[in-house]
Amino acid sequence: DTAVSQTPKYLVTQMGNDKSIKCEQNLGHDTMYWYKQDSKKFLKIMFSYNNKELIINETVPNRFSPKSPDKAHLNLHINSLELGDSAVYFCASSQKAVNYGYTFGSGTRLTVV
Amino acid sequence: AQSVTQLDSQVPVFEEAPVELRCNYSSSVSVYLFWYVQYPNQGLQLLLKYLSGSTLVKGINGFEAEFNKSQTSFHLRKPSVHISDTAEYFCAVSERGYSTLTFGKGTMLLVSP
Repeated sequence: DTAVSQTPKYLVTQMGNDKSIKCEQNLGHDTMYWYKQDSKKFLKIMFSYNNKELIINETVPNRFSPKSPDKAHLNLHINSLELGDSAVYFCASSQKAVNYGYTFGSGTRLTVV
Repeated sequence: AQSVTQLDSQVPVFEEAPVELRCNYSSSVSVYLFWYVQYPNQGLQLLLKYLSGSTLVKGINGFEAEFNKSQTSFHLRKPSVHISDTAEYFCAVSERGYSTLTFGKGTMLLVSP
């Protein structure tokens, strides 16, 4: 059983398209996150949801819209994709307190051509 | 706001040699500290964490780290590395009471025979 699963693993798409990445966790965690890892491996938080409510929204273009239908799912929808959106996107989850650390998904490699 | 500095972007080492990966953090409040490992094309896996108590923390795969409050450091060590330890290592910090992790830029550990 995969604790945090993301789909798809790879996504190649053309500029201007709209795409979604899905994330599901079966750990019963309260909080879920989206991180972006750029080509230099730098990890930057994008969004954080706690029990379906948005609690962190970093400086991310509004073309990126997270949606959490329930506390086990956090999806990321991206409109009008740009070349600079190419990156690996990681979903993660944790208990509300960060003490236990995050559990990460295996990532979605998005390539915009 | 907290920040993390990993001074070395890459650390080459021979198999069975000891290694230390450096991490310094900056925060105006008490923090939790973490080390994560990322193997090629995979998500991040928690190696170890410091929450409180003993400043020497032992993790998985023979790694350990020491919290030094006066030097604001949390360096990762292993007495004898294996080829399989080749991976990217990330130090991360979270201020107590918050659930967001801030990551360093990562250190690539390259173990050669």
